[in-house]
Amino acid sequence: EVYLLESGGGLVQPGGSLRLSCAVSGFSLSDYAMTWVRQVPGKGLDWISTISLSGDTSSYAHSVKGRFTISRDNPKNMLYLQMDSLRAEDTALYYCANDWAPHGVGATPDYWGQGTLVTVSS
Amino acid sequence: QSALTQPRSVSGSPGQSVAISCTGTSNDVGAYNFVSWYQQRPGRAPKLMIYDVIKRPSGVPDRFSGSKSGNTASLTVSGLQAEDEAEYYCCSYAGTYSLVFGGGTKLTVL
Repeated sequence: EVYLLESGGGLVQPGGSLRLSCAVSGFSLSDYAMTWVRQVPGKGLDWISTISLSGDTSSYAHSVKGRFTISRDNPKNMLYLQMDSLRAEDTALYYCANDWAPHGVGATPDYWGQGTLVTVSS
Repeated sequence: QSALTQPRSVSGSPGQSVAISCTGTSNDVGAYNFVSWYQQRPGRAPKLMIYDVIKRPSGVPDRFSGSKSGNTASLTVSGLQAEDEAEYYCCSYAGTYSLVFGGGTKLTVL
């Protein structure tokens, strides 16, 4: 059974940093592009970043480019999101998701974790 | 990276059909057959309902169908059931490992 579990969220001051983790099981991480999506409670889904199978290619939303870094450790079945220079508007529930298609381009988030809440506030 | 445009809400009675539109641009919806739809119930993670415009994952009822014409994709729910009441989001591939979501549509079963 596919399972994704996010962790690392919490309360951080503006300008601070957090590193989110996503532990996966039930599939081989090295076969799938991976995506981070966030959602402000009560609002819509907001794509943040996607990383290729090997980690050599990644894309970011304009709102986080230059501040967030996506990475992966395939042997450890882990996906990460390093978040720096955090702002109040980054407050949201952060989800990780695997691509539907193996060896794909991350075009379709398939299974999602339950999310980890990030709150940026002084 | 502008969000795809969806109606804020749609509604229908049990047994009826409703359609939710999702309008993008020639750089996303119009450029790729990678449109997906997600159902999200309160407090739950999104669930994939349609992928590659028209395909249904295993376990999704065939009452759910997708289509696309030009820069606009649509999700149709036929034979509405009370359990279909939820928020629905469209998503499109936008090239080079990037995605864009719609703003979401609240489906109410009257």
